[in-house]
Order: sequence, then structure tokens, then C-alpha cells
Amino acid sequence: EAGVAQSPRYKIIEKRQSVAFWCNPISGHATLYWYQQILGQGPKLLIQFQNNGVVDDSQLPKDRFSAERLKGVDSTLKIQPAKLEDSAVYLCASSSTSEQFFGPGTRLTVL
Amino acid sequence: AQKVTQAQTEISVVEKEDVTLDCVYETRDTTYYLFWYKQPPSGELVFLIRRNSFDEQNEISGRYSWNFQKSTSSFNFTITASQVVDSAVYFCALSEWGDDKIIFGKGTRLHILP
Repeated sequence: EAGVAQSPRYKIIEKRQSVAFWCNPISGHATLYWYQQILGQGPKLLIQFQNNGVVDDSQLPKDRFSAERLKGVDSTLKIQPAKLEDSAVYLCASSSTSEQFFGPGTRLTVL
Repeated sequence: AQKVTQAQTEISVVEKEDVTLDCVYETRDTTYYLFWYKQPPSGELVFLIRRNSFDEQNEISGRYSWNFQKSTSSFNFTITASQVVDSAVYFCALSEWGDDKIIFGKGTRLHILP
């Protein structure tokens, strides 16, 4: 069974630029999560989708972050414009029951 | 409010030694889940265990064991006869019953020295 796929693995941008991350969850998993993991900290949930609907986006900085999962499968997370403090690893996870499976993450560096 | 505290930021032990990673949690809920995840250098979070608040039995899986004590709100993780491949960051986490949202601790970086 293929795991959660994410791309790109690494991204370096300058502040005020835009960036997008892509996630392909495990086939059949209805729930998809985006986490932000700042260096030295644990992952923090940004947004949770159930199929193509948002379940929880309370910790998503909506002035600059957006996410979508239009067909209930793949998802994209966008930052526009990026700030220095957005430097982090962005992890995508999916689940069908209560266990979440994580992708390898995208490491974002904002200069 | 929910909170997970991993007081040990970094631990180094020599291979074959036993090592215990501490985890203390806070929650107002009477029903909840506790987790441990491993994050190797590759970056992917690997699920190790989930324990619900009703089950205080200790669990053993190979060289790994977990000690859940509700009285002290702790869920400690022990690796017996550590190996270099155990080197990683380990996260303890908590979620409310019926809620998929997981609250992670800050992690403990474990170095197993050959």
C-alpha cells in the first residue's frame, strides 16, 4: 500500500513570495490533515478535511494560508505571501479510522 | 486545555543501554487517547502506539514498552537494549475521545551512540 505522498520535499523562497505544497493521501482515506512543524517543536494542526469539507481550520492563519481539497482526494496548501516565521516542515497526514499516517513532509525555508 | 510535556529535550546513551523517555500530559477530559510517534532523520512520523484512557495496562512490543499511569498523568516510553537505528526524535501526543485533533509534545531527540 502506497503511503502519503508530498511534493516538493524542499522549497526555498524569499519572504513575500508565494508557495504551494501538494499532498496525495493514502487511497480511500477520507480524512486529510495539514500540520506545521517548526524546528524543535512538535507538529501543530493547521487544517483538517473530511472528504472535501473543512472540519477544523481554527489554527490556520487565514490571512496568508489557504488549503483546498476539491475532489476529496489530493490537497494543496498555499502560503501567500510568505513570512520568515513560516519556515518549517509542512506535514500531510491521512486517516480512515483513528490512526493517522504521515507523509515525509515539505521543508520550507523563507529567506 | 490539553497539553503534553516532554521535559527531556535531548538524550544520549550508548548502544545496548536501556533508555526511558518521559511524557506528562494535561487534559480535563476523562476519556482520551495517548500516542507515541517516532520521527527519524527522513522526517516522516512513524506511529508507534495508541493507548486509550481506560486501559492502564503496560504494553510491550519487542524492545519497546510503555508505562501508562493515570495517577501521575504520565505515559513513559522505554527502549530496552537500544540500537543505533533507534536514534530519532520521539513525540508523545494526546487527543480527546472522538476528536481527530492530536496535540503533540515538543519531542525528545534520542541519540544512540555506537
